[in-house]
Amino acid sequence: AQSVAQPEDQVNVAEGNPLTVKCTYSVSGNPYLFWYVQYPNRGLQFLLKYITGDNLVKGSYGFEAEFNKSQTSFHLKKPSALVSDSALYFCAVGFGGGFKTIFGAGTRLFVKA
Amino acid sequence: DGGITQSPKYLFRKEGQNVTLSCEQNLNHDAMYWYRQDPGQGLRLIYYSQIVNDFQKGDIAEGYSVSREKKESFPLTVTSAQKNPTAFYLCASSIKGQGYEQYFGPGTRLTVT
Repeated sequence: AQSVAQPEDQVNVAEGNPLTVKCTYSVSGNPYLFWYVQYPNRGLQFLLKYITGDNLVKGSYGFEAEFNKSQTSFHLKKPSALVSDSALYFCAVGFGGGFKTIFGAGTRLFVKA
Repeated sequence: DGGITQSPKYLFRKEGQNVTLSCEQNLNHDAMYWYRQDPGQGLRLIYYSQIVNDFQKGDIAEGYSVSREKKESFPLTVTSAQKNPTAFYLCASSIKGQGYEQYFGPGTRLTVT
């Protein structure tokens, strides 16, 4: 069965420190991988995606993610966290011709000043 | 929240009443989606539509209905058959095809008492 796992419900990091939000997936075939961010009482905003090619993908607001096929992971990273990065982050995988997307349960990021 | 609007932002209904949530997009996207978001469960797909006058059930379609009479509009009706309708509902759209990210509306929070 297709699935996406975000093993951490919450990640705490100090402002200025690097951050990592973890994501692993299980799908048959080649996955299309996405990261989205959600601020309170808002819709999700697209951050970045991996389709093919370079394993390191750069996205909005200084975020990047590394695709690791052998570990079936797609961790979100940022070299230096900001307080304004505090939000709920969702990893997602697309398959089935592009119309099916499974979202992880979300990881809440807290960046402390 | 891009070019997708959802109305109203908050909706209150009595148990046993049907209610329709509005979703409109001006992005010229063929594909549209409805998700339900509950705390700690990520997003679950209710219905999706690839083209006008066509739509498919998602993972939790029971108790919901949709229509797609216009490219721009994809309203969702929450019927009295939905056992636990109180949730945050998100509409999204995307370019049709594999690997395209979804654009989300701001969401409608439905409370049924």
